Amino acid sequence: ILNVEQSPQSLHVQEGDSTNFTCSFPSSNFYALHWYRWETAKSPEALFVMTLNGDEKKKGRISATLNTKEGYSYLYIKGSQPEDSATYLCASSSGAGSYQLTFGKGTKLSVIP
Amino acid sequence: KAGVTQTPRYLIKTRGQQVTLSCSPISGHRSVSWYQQTPGQGLQFLFEYFSETQRNKGNFPGRFSGRQFSNSRSEMNVSTLELGDSALYLCASSPGTAYGYTFGSGTRLTVV
Repeated sequence: ILNVEQSPQSLHVQEGDSTNFTCSFPSSNFYALHWYRWETAKSPEALFVMTLNGDEKKKGRISATLNTKEGYSYLYIKGSQPEDSATYLCASSSGAGSYQLTFGKGTKLSVIP
Repeated sequence: KAGVTQTPRYLIKTRGQQVTLSCSPISGHRSVSWYQQTPGQGLQFLFEYFSETQRNKGNFPGRFSGRQFSNSRSEMNVSTLELGDSALYLCASSPGTAYGYTFGSGTRLTVV
């Protein structure tokens, strides 16, 4: 994998459903994996930064896992709410000291009340 | 605390002109990065500055340049604007590589 890829591209779920999305990234020379939430007309908001294989992070109903050996990360949202509607971006950086993030195109989540 | 401030929010320029965008990072953040987003594309990395030095540059033509001042504020310049330069330009600051970035609200540039 040369680029950061996210799937699905978009997702519609009912309020209360749990959902998850995938981010695939180059595993060679990996340093960190970032997740952001980007709501319409707002700035991207940092959710998680993960660096270690097997890392799991949680923030309220949202959690993420990281597998650096196979180059993927999952983002989970438990009990989706309408306010979770946003585009979720992942980005990877390579090499310690690198501030250059390579972003995926995002997963657009719509939560239907 | 104050967030990342970008000015102006909106800009309309004519093809061939040049434009300068400004970014004030969060106080204490010495790294400032710039990204471009065009329809259908993910955020594309332009460049990153740290302590007034450009450390990384993305795959953009030389018409795109930037600089960082001693107070960490950064400017991005695009010369000889083309229609394809119409995009949302986001600035982000960070205190370190293990931390997330804080993004500004962006400058939406339209080239006509």
